[in-house]
Amino acid sequence: KQEVTQIPAALSVPEGENLVLNCSFTDSAIYNLQWFRQDPGKGLTSLLLIQSSQREQTSGRLNASLDKSSGRSTLYIAASQPGDSATYLCAVMNSGNTPLVFGKGTRLSVIA
Amino acid sequence: GAGVSQSPRYKVAKRGQDVALRCDPISGHVSLFWYQQALGQGPEFLTYFQNEAQLDKSGLPSDRFFAERPEGSVSTLKIQRTQQEDSAVYLCASSRTKGRAEINYGYTFGSGTRLTVV
Repeated sequence: KQEVTQIPAALSVPEGENLVLNCSFTDSAIYNLQWFRQDPGKGLTSLLLIQSSQREQTSGRLNASLDKSSGRSTLYIAASQPGDSATYLCAVMNSGNTPLVFGKGTRLSVIA
Repeated sequence: GAGVSQSPRYKVAKRGQDVALRCDPISGHVSLFWYQQALGQGPEFLTYFQNEAQLDKSGLPSDRFFAERPEGSVSTLKIQRTQQEDSAVYLCASSRTKGRAEINYGYTFGSGTRLTVV
């Protein structure tokens, strides 16, 4: 059974810092991996989707990498801003159109 | 529509009451998923539809939970005789995925319905 772990559970950084969020998964035979952002009381916003054949994806100040063989992904946020404060969730899909399996998330606070 | 729409946004139910939660997926999206998110946890899968067919309901926690998508668009998640442990945010997601093991473009989630059972 696929299990997804996110470390750290919570992180507080001063504005302007670069930071890395970690995600690991137990079954490396994944179809894709997706990073989401969730603001308090809100739904999920998709940030980046990495297909199993890809190594990384970039969007603005965000960069996500995927190492399938070791079962790891990282989300890199450059020059963090207070508006980045949210919970970041990692989710993997084991095969096309199967349910996403989520980690518990990393709660990020960026202090001005 | 432009996004996945869920209603109501908030629902308070007395224990034992039946509730119905609605999801309007993005127009033309084939796949629809329901997830349950308890406080401080990641979302957990409940059930999956491809068009009107419910292909996977393995995540439904009990027979009090029932979902339908009769015309392959709008979906309703019904919870009968609600219990306090049903309190959670219920998220709906849709995808334009064409079929199993084919190209997948990722999922778009709605804002969720926060259910509180008192």
